[in-house]
Amino acid sequence: RKEVEQDPGPFNVPEGATVAFNCTYSNSASQSFFWYRQDCRKEPKLLMSVYSSGNEDGRFTAQLNRASQYISLLIRDSKLSDSATYLCVVKAAGNKLTFGGGTRVLVKP
Amino acid sequence: DGGITQSPKYLFRKEGQNVTLSCEQNLNHDAMYWYRQDPGQGLRLIYYSQIVNDFQKGDIAEGYSVSREKKESFPLTVTSAQKNPTAFYLCASSTRGPPYEQYFGPGTRLTVT
Repeated sequence: RKEVEQDPGPFNVPEGATVAFNCTYSNSASQSFFWYRQDCRKEPKLLMSVYSSGNEDGRFTAQLNRASQYISLLIRDSKLSDSATYLCVVKAAGNKLTFGGGTRVLVKP
Repeated sequence: DGGITQSPKYLFRKEGQNVTLSCEQNLNHDAMYWYRQDPGQGLRLIYYSQIVNDFQKGDIAEGYSVSREKKESFPLTVTSAQKNPTAFYLCASSTRGPPYEQYFGPGTRLTVT
């Protein structure tokens, strides 16, 4: 089983719609969680950290479910510019981060 | 303007040659990392360093070497022993403590023929 698993997609989303997707992690001792965004042939960029209580940043909402060992990302009012691959990232002990394979989102007019 | 730079953006080499990829950061971060990304795949950790003059192997260190002589610099050498070196190489840095977020350079695309 992979340490961090994501549905690769693509999720085809009409502009203005809401899309949500999850990421599961296998290490119950994982301490920190992040969502990164990666555009085609570019470097990953931090989208948001995921806090235990859940957090929101504009149209983006992230949630953590420790009992079921998954995190989620919800995008409201999708824009064409939201088209990207979203990487789930998990930190266990130490500074090492483990990256999921990414979920591709395509927002269409 | 703080950030991470990687050079060159594209690199072409013949099989059997060693090649060194540059990574420099001016974020005053203690920790630095090298990842490899293959098409349609996630990032895999090659090496990381949490402090000057110290580094550890990641998940796929075979065929690679690094040095960390300065806080700002963490060059990666892809040796001829690396069987499939063609990939997108990403360098990142972070603080050693919280919040642990890593920030990436723009990457180097290496093609070996």
